[in-house]
Amino acid sequence: EVQLLESGGGLVQPGGSLRLSCAASGFSFSSYAMNWVRQAPGKGLEWVSGISGSGRNTYYGDSLKGRFTISRDNSKNTLYLQMNSLRAEDTALYYCAKEVWGIYSGRYFDYWGQGTLVTVSS
Amino acid sequence: EIVLTQSPGTLSLSPGERATLSCRASQSVTSSYLAWYQQKPGQAPRLLIYGASSRATGIPDRFSGSGSGTDFTLTISRVEPEDFAVYYCQQYGSSPPIFTFGPGTKVDIK
Repeated sequence: EVQLLESGGGLVQPGGSLRLSCAASGFSFSSYAMNWVRQAPGKGLEWVSGISGSGRNTYYGDSLKGRFTISRDNSKNTLYLQMNSLRAEDTALYYCAKEVWGIYSGRYFDYWGQGTLVTVSS
Repeated sequence: EIVLTQSPGTLSLSPGERATLSCRASQSVTSSYLAWYQQKPGQAPRLLIYGASSRATGIPDRFSGSGSGTDFTLTISRVEPEDFAVYYCQQYGSSPPIFTFGPGTKVDIK
């Protein structure tokens, strides 16, 4: 059974930093790209960042402007998101999601964690 | 960057009725890169449809997806009580390589 368990969220002051983790199990972690998706309270879904299975390729949403860094440790089956210079608008539930890619099936997220809440406030 | 628009914003239906949800893209989307998700309150999103029309594992056949180019549709043939939720479309664009979600359509009880 695929499981994704996020941790590391919490209350942080504006300008502060936080590192999120996502522990994965139930599948061959290094074979799949992984992503972070966030959802501000009462709002829709926003893709944040993605990383290839090897970790060599990373992608970011335009709104992040270099403040976030995605990484992974395949020996630990863990995905990370380092968030710096946090702003009030970064307040959201952060989900990690397993990506599936196929020539004919496309790219999409087949499994999601339950999310970890990040609150940026003074 | 492709922008996705979903309509209507809210769809009020009675159980047993047909639901038709629209997802429109600002420019043509590769059909294989269009997916739909369902999200219930307090829960993570769940994959419903990928490749515009393929149902994910375990998804009932009352859910179907269709469309191509800039216009895509999610149809629930007969809405069940457990289908009241928010539905998001999502596309992947390779240049630049990013994922984009639509704003969502809420299906609620009439």
